[in-house]
Amino acid sequence: DQQVKQNSPSLSVQEGRISILNCDYTNSMFDYFLWYKKYPAEGPTFLISISSIKDKNEDGRFTVFLNKSAKHLSLHIVPSQPGDSAVYFCAASAYSGGSNYKLTFGKGTLLTVNP
Amino acid sequence: DSGVTQTPKHLITATGQRVTLRCSPRSGDLSVYWYQQSLDQGLQFLIQYYNGEERAKGNILERFSAQQFPDLHSELNLSSLELGDSALYFCASSVVTSGRREQFFGPGTRLTVL
Repeated sequence: DQQVKQNSPSLSVQEGRISILNCDYTNSMFDYFLWYKKYPAEGPTFLISISSIKDKNEDGRFTVFLNKSAKHLSLHIVPSQPGDSAVYFCAASAYSGGSNYKLTFGKGTLLTVNP
Repeated sequence: DSGVTQTPKHLITATGQRVTLRCSPRSGDLSVYWYQQSLDQGLQFLIQYYNGEERAKGNILERFSAQQFPDLHSELNLSSLELGDSALYFCASSVVTSGRREQFFGPGTRLTVL
């Protein structure tokens, strides 16, 4: 049972345009969401996060939007740059007591930004 | 550089063998998480330690075990290895607060079981 879904395995955009990566979740207990970027042969790198008490969070070229009623979040990258080409993972966390904040990941979307 | 280190980077071994993967968290982080990434799969949570104590278990096989030492480094032990255990194994560390839950990942250990 996949609780976090990234339905687009890949996305290709032109340099300078907007990249929109989507993520859906099914577990209503998730209350914190994160995006990670991963290059080949490296570990995931944290990009941006959002708490369920917000619907938008911005950090430079990256903006994450959260629609709780639709159980959907998206990552916008504006403008897209060739160096943004990587696999992007959506992750979600549910508070389960103590200090356990394990992350549940989607399968990732490969973003290719063409010069 | 996330500040999380993992050794070794690559490991090639045979079925039935036992291996140990090592992780050192970022300075000040008390919590260590282990994840497995197999082909066509996202990262799957295995186990979490906080300040030396096991706090949560995910889809971790009984053949796998972990521990966190007083200096906070952690080891993941994989035994009776099977071909299907070939995967990337990541460890991550975090400060652990309810307000911020970012985890910072190491570069991973690629395990190949032949």
